[in-house]
Amino acid sequence: EIVLTQSPGTLSLSPGERATLSCRASQSVSSTSLAWYQQKPGQAPRLLIYAASNRATGIPDRFSGSGSGTDFTLTISRLEPEDFAVYYCQQYGSSLFTFGPGTKVDIK
Amino acid sequence: EVQLVESGGGLVQPGGSLRLSCAASGLTFSVESMNWVRQAPGKGLEWVSYTSSGGGTIYYADSVKGRFTISRDNAKSSLYLQMNSLRVEDTAVYYCARVRSGGYSDSWGQGTLVAVSS
Repeated sequence: EIVLTQSPGTLSLSPGERATLSCRASQSVSSTSLAWYQQKPGQAPRLLIYAASNRATGIPDRFSGSGSGTDFTLTISRLEPEDFAVYYCQQYGSSLFTFGPGTKVDIK
Repeated sequence: EVQLVESGGGLVQPGGSLRLSCAASGLTFSVESMNWVRQAPGKGLEWVSYTSSGGGTIYYADSVKGRFTISRDNAKSSLYLQMNSLRVEDTAVYYCARVRSGGYSDSWGQGTLVAVSS
């Protein structure tokens, strides 16, 4: 089973700053099977990025995804007030879906 | 617009059973693969179960294997999760979600809360 590790656990930043979130896999992951989600309190997850680097419909271009193999990154170029939330990476492979533990981006 | 609406959650005693439903609209349900994903209070997301569009391919997380059963009724555009032998650690909000090729979910329901407690 592939285990996803996300770092940092919490990222404290100010609006307008750049956020860089990491997702590391215990084994190589197909880039087509790596996604990122945003979740706000009391809400369902929202798809941001699929296939490692493709923005989902309606997602602003300040969100970008990159990486391959075991190392993937979600970058938010300039944080807007609505971007403070928890972010999860997720992969699919070998008949299993796994999520990382999440990175909380909070206001500094 | 895709809408997924879960129902059937509630309070149940350990060892009890519950059946969750997910009503889908705004999509051709019969061609969509679906997941159940849960989230314990204050915790992260945990995948529970997957079904292909026709129900011929089904997967379960080890934590629920042998206790939970996923099913679907394409004529009713509905997804189900039969949960038996419930444990305290099954307490969570349960989401249904559409699964696209590549394994990502672009549409999620609002979730239904299952609380297992004596």
